[in-house]
Amino acid sequence: DVKVTQSSRYLVKRTGEKVFLECVQDMDHENMFWYRQDPGLGLRLIYFSYDVKMKEKGDIPEGYSVSREKKERFSLILESASTNQTSMYLCASSLFGLGGRKSYEQYFGPGTRLTVT
Amino acid sequence: SQQGEEDPQALSIQEGENATMNCSYKTSINNLQWYRQNSGRGLVHLILIRSNEREKHSGRLRVTLDTSKKSSSLLITASRAADTASYFCATPPGRGAQKLVFGQGTRLTINP
Repeated sequence: DVKVTQSSRYLVKRTGEKVFLECVQDMDHENMFWYRQDPGLGLRLIYFSYDVKMKEKGDIPEGYSVSREKKERFSLILESASTNQTSMYLCASSLFGLGGRKSYEQYFGPGTRLTVT
Repeated sequence: SQQGEEDPQALSIQEGENATMNCSYKTSINNLQWYRQNSGRGLVHLILIRSNEREKHSGRLRVTLDTSKKSSSLLITASRAADTASYFCATPPGRGAQKLVFGQGTRLTINP
């Protein structure tokens, strides 16, 4: 079974702090994703990565950065946390579609509920 | 960007009844996926239907896809209390896209 783990289930940080959210997958998936989920807005893609050191901006990258130094690990960084970044953060991984032509099912971690005060 | 739109936003039924959720999308796709999310947890993949398929079954789940109408439906038969969750459809934003765009979900409540 694919396992995607996230470093914390709950996190409380202060405004202005630098926050690191870690995600690890154990199935050798090429793709990894970071989403945030807010009531009424659904899941919104922040960043994704299709290979080590490769990244692409999603729909809402402002205020976030990412790091992927190893294939199994994808980190989301809040450079200076703000109260509007209070949210549920979900990490996911998937296989890279053959020849870049397919998308496969994504496997999600349990989520990190971040509160910024 | 919003690709999939689920309907209804919320659905409440009695245990044992069937639940039907619908999803509409905007662009051409090579597949459409359905996910379930229990409260406060991550999403779990339920089923993937390819663009050349019209119907697919998995246990008590039946998914249909109508590419001419750009719509899909998820039917859960003989519902159980454990089916209470939010259900999301997801599609690639374009052919060849590695990422998925999720709808806002249908909140399903099964009453005992």
